[in-house]
Amino acid sequence: DQQVKQNSPSLSVQEGRISILNCDYTNSMFDYFLWYKKYPAEGPTFLISISSIKDKNEDGRFTVFLNKSAKHLSLHIVPSQPGDSAVYFCAASADYGQNFVFGPGTRLSVLP
Amino acid sequence: DSGVTQTPKHLITATGQRVTLRCSPRSGDLSVYWYQQSLDQGLQFLIQYYNGEERAKGNILERFSAQQFPDLHSELNLSSLELGDSALYFCASSVGLLRNSPLHFGNGTRLTVT
Repeated sequence: DQQVKQNSPSLSVQEGRISILNCDYTNSMFDYFLWYKKYPAEGPTFLISISSIKDKNEDGRFTVFLNKSAKHLSLHIVPSQPGDSAVYFCAASADYGQNFVFGPGTRLSVLP
Repeated sequence: DSGVTQTPKHLITATGQRVTLRCSPRSGDLSVYWYQQSLDQGLQFLIQYYNGEERAKGNILERFSAQQFPDLHSELNLSSLELGDSALYFCASSVGLLRNSPLHFGNGTRLTVT
């Protein structure tokens, strides 16, 4: 049973436009969420996080929105750049430790 | 460069064999984690060590074992290998135990079992 779902395996966006990556979760105990970015032949790198006490967290071009009632979060990248082309993983945690549950990832392609 | 080193980068072996994957964490990081990524799957948490002690276990098979040594490097041992064990194995490290300490991942070891 997949507790963290990323239903779009891939997404293509034009350079300069907004990229929206979506993530849904089923476990209502999850209260901390993260996004990681992964380039080919590299490990994932941390991008941004959000706690359930917030509904939005922003870091430069990256904003994560959390809708607890819908058990849904999204990552917005504005404006999108070709260097953003990567696989994006959503992850969730239900305790203060680091037992994260990862989604299967969405491959973002930003076209010049 | 995350500062986490994994060796080897690639490993090809036959069913029934045993392999050891090695991880050196970032300098100063006490926690080490092992994750498995199979084709089109998310990262599956296997096991966590903190300062030499096992801290948490995920969906790790009994055929798999790990340890963290006094110098904080870690090894993941996979035995009686099956075709389904073919995957990318990532090691990650973090400075602490709390979830606001981001994980720093190595570049992974790609294991192919033939």
